[in-house]
Amino acid sequence: GAVVSQHPSWVICKSGTSVKIECRSLDFQATTMFWYRQFPKQSLMLMATSNEGSKATYEQGVEKDKFLINHASLTLSTLTVTSAHPEDSSFYICSALRVGSPLHFGNGTRLTVT
Amino acid sequence: DQQVKQNSPSLSVQEGRISILNCDYTNSMFDYFLWYKKYPAEGPTFLISISSIKDKNEDGRFTVFLNKSAKHLSLHIVPSQPGDSAVYFCAASAGGQNFVFGPGTRLSVLP
Repeated sequence: GAVVSQHPSWVICKSGTSVKIECRSLDFQATTMFWYRQFPKQSLMLMATSNEGSKATYEQGVEKDKFLINHASLTLSTLTVTSAHPEDSSFYICSALRVGSPLHFGNGTRLTVT
Repeated sequence: DQQVKQNSPSLSVQEGRISILNCDYTNSMFDYFLWYKKYPAEGPTFLISISSIKDKNEDGRFTVFLNKSAKHLSLHIVPSQPGDSAVYFCAASAGGQNFVFGPGTRLSVLP
């Protein structure tokens, strides 16, 4: 069964509003979670590494004030897209690192900003 | 600088035949390699992995081969089935903390 739950799976929002995406590790504690973005027909682009209890590490070119990451507990990381614009429309995927196991991914969230 | 490369963006194979997906890497510190399968609008699903102490790992129809000297790994799917049609990502890790993904290869298995 799924070991990483991502919610919501699809969200449509108006331009200028903020959207929060949740990533939960099920049955295990994840000190590290990753957030990715995927454009159509392109590879996964790592946006940031989320570490429980500390600030996220953002990849070059990713605006930290735009994409707020909070890893408040060992089973939950959230990504908030602030003041969303149509160009933020994309497929966002999280993954959780479980010690001694492969990286497990959530099912992704399709964000559409109108 | 791409540390993990999948030079074939797409591959078409007849049902029942073997599919071979290739992956090359540049970082000699990578010691753990994985293959993921991804359908549209879904997250990647783990398929199979191999550590650098091995040169082959097999799981059902899926076999991964690792050639450390050539910094090359491949995924063999045999026999290929239409349900295998998806994008396949190769990933590599040094120490199991950070994972670097290739750009993916779209496999189409034709009935």
